[in-house]
Amino acid sequence: DQQVKQNSPSLSVQEGRISILNCDYTNSMFDYFLWYKKYPAEGPTFLISISSIKDKNEDGRFTVFLNKSAKHLSLHIVPSQPGDSAVYFCAASSYSGAGSYQLTFGKGTKLSVIP
Amino acid sequence: ETGVTQTPRHLVMGMTNKKSLKCEQHLGHNAMYWYKQSAKKPLELMFVYSLEERVENNSVPSRFSPECPNSSHLFLHLHTLQPEDSALYLCASSHGQGSQPQHFGDGTRLSIL
Repeated sequence: DQQVKQNSPSLSVQEGRISILNCDYTNSMFDYFLWYKKYPAEGPTFLISISSIKDKNEDGRFTVFLNKSAKHLSLHIVPSQPGDSAVYFCAASSYSGAGSYQLTFGKGTKLSVIP
Repeated sequence: ETGVTQTPRHLVMGMTNKKSLKCEQHLGHNAMYWYKQSAKKPLELMFVYSLEERVENNSVPSRFSPECPNSSHLFLHLHTLQPEDSALYLCASSHGQGSQPQHFGDGTRLSIL
């Protein structure tokens, strides 16, 4: 069973408006959450993260919100730009031993920003 | 120079071939990872190395054999693969702390004939 779920495979937003991408998780042992962005033919690129002790982290146009009680996080992009069109992956981090951490990924949401 | 470099970018091989995927990181990280991305599925963690020691093996078939000769290099040796092994194989590295993000290479697109 998937521990990290992105229930919307795709999202279309008009340029200048807000994009909201959602992610749900089931494992309460996750202590760090990350969003990655992926363009075709490239590897995922780290975008923004949030610790489980926080409920909000902001970086420029990107804000991540965490609701621990609901096991839900969201990524807000405002204003959305055509260059933001990509696949966005939600990931959750857990300790896997010997100083390394394991990421569990969702299936991704393809965002299309329409000019 | 990019932080995590994977070669080759594309690989086509028969089921009886032996080939290797290479990953190199120039970020001074001490943990390296192999992931598999199949169509319509999330990225699946295959192997984790920390300080050149394997710390995770997520029930990966033995036809995939990782090797980490030093903290900058990671290999994935392939032997007698099946058509369902066709996928994008991604390498990543990190400082090995939960708050530090993993940095990914651009992947090797593998096709098994």
